[in-house]
Amino acid sequence: ILNVEQSPQSLHVQEGDSTNFTCSFPSSNFYALHWYRWETAKSPEALFVMTLNGDEKKKGRISATLNTKEGYSYLYIKGSQPEDSATYLCAFMVGGKLIFGQGTELSVKP
Amino acid sequence: SQTIHQWPATLVQPVGSPLSLECTVEGTSNPNLYWYRQAAGRGLQLLFYSVGIGQISSEVPQNLSASRPQDRQFILSSKKLLLSDSGFYLCAWSVTGLAEETQYFGPGTRLLVL
Repeated sequence: ILNVEQSPQSLHVQEGDSTNFTCSFPSSNFYALHWYRWETAKSPEALFVMTLNGDEKKKGRISATLNTKEGYSYLYIKGSQPEDSATYLCAFMVGGKLIFGQGTELSVKP
Repeated sequence: SQTIHQWPATLVQPVGSPLSLECTVEGTSNPNLYWYRQAAGRGLQLLFYSVGIGQISSEVPQNLSASRPQDRQFILSSKKLLLSDSGFYLCAWSVTGLAEETQYFGPGTRLLVL
């Protein structure tokens, strides 16, 4: 059974803090790793798709790294803002299907 | 541009009643379509996916079924709901289903079975 683990489950930070969380996935037969942001009452929104070992992607204050050999990806948020509050999901692509982790729920207090 | 619609947004149903959730995609042809569920305390789980009209693959055994009567329409059904069917149901689409391709999600349906 393929398992995607995310940690921590939830995170509470102050506005301006930088934060990061982890996604662990099977290191064999890697195809792609997806990150999504899911805000309350909205649809999950794609952040990054990562395919190459050592990949690093950036979107504004959010960046992600990928290590396919050891099976993990980090998502970083620099200078968190209240609008960053959301659940961040990672998903491992296998056989044309996305296997999602449980998500990290981020709350940023002003 | 492409858009994806789901309805209803919220549904409260008694145990044993039937279910029909609808998802439609606009602005694209022959999309791959997906149904996901998030049950309480769990991650998003793929329930069904479809690569074309009438072609449905089921990922987990359950009392739900899916149908794709038209190219851009995907329906999730049940003849008799169980308490465990409660959750948030998301429909998604992609162009080809390739590993590096993004899936685009609809707004979701919150289902509460009482």
